[in-house]
Amino acid sequence: GENVEQHPSTLSVQEGDSAVIKCTYSDSASNYFPWYKQELGKRPQLIIDIRSNVGEKKDQRIAVTLNKTAKHFSLHITETQPEDSAVYFCAASRGSSNTGKLIFGQGTTLQVKP
Amino acid sequence: DAGITQSPRYKITETGRQVTLMCHQTWSHSYMFWYRQDLGHGLRLIYYSAAADITDKGEVPDGYVVSRSKTENFPLTLESATRSQTSVYFCASKREDSGNTIYFGEGSWLTVV
Repeated sequence: GENVEQHPSTLSVQEGDSAVIKCTYSDSASNYFPWYKQELGKRPQLIIDIRSNVGEKKDQRIAVTLNKTAKHFSLHITETQPEDSAVYFCAASRGSSNTGKLIFGQGTTLQVKP
Repeated sequence: DAGITQSPRYKITETGRQVTLMCHQTWSHSYMFWYRQDLGHGLRLIYYSAAADITDKGEVPDGYVVSRSKTENFPLTLESATRSQTSVYFCASKREDSGNTIYFGEGSWLTVV
């Protein structure tokens, strides 16, 4: 079946460094790629998303890039802060319809050390 | 954020018992979803609903039943709970016109002993 692979599973960086999380997807019809941040014991919260007609999107310290040909997309966090520590999930839409059905990656635990 | 609420937030039940997790949203969103979250698997779709009285299976529907008699409610029932159904369950919803952007409830932690 369709799937999303996410790497690395854990990532530890020093405060102020950059962090990059990568995902690959298998469904060539996917056209929507959100990233969620989940703090311990909390719900996943949408932090940024990108659609397949865009190659890059930026929002302050976070950015997402998409390579449709290679079927991979990445989350970039610059100038990391301790409050960025959380689990990050990538996801891809199932096909191109707007049903809201998403396939999630396995998650990356990001630790930002002060 | 209070627009989508789940209950109970925490539940311990025994193997074989029936359990119902409730999800209520005040946004009048058309679509509602149930995901389960397990370590190493991310979030996996159990069931979803495009509107009242319309439901369909997701990736992992076995052992679960859903209904949607009203737009605002989407209960998930485990008919005979098993230990493998110990998980965190998240309800989510989206507007008809919001593409694929979904918003999650606070989660329900379920332990089956």
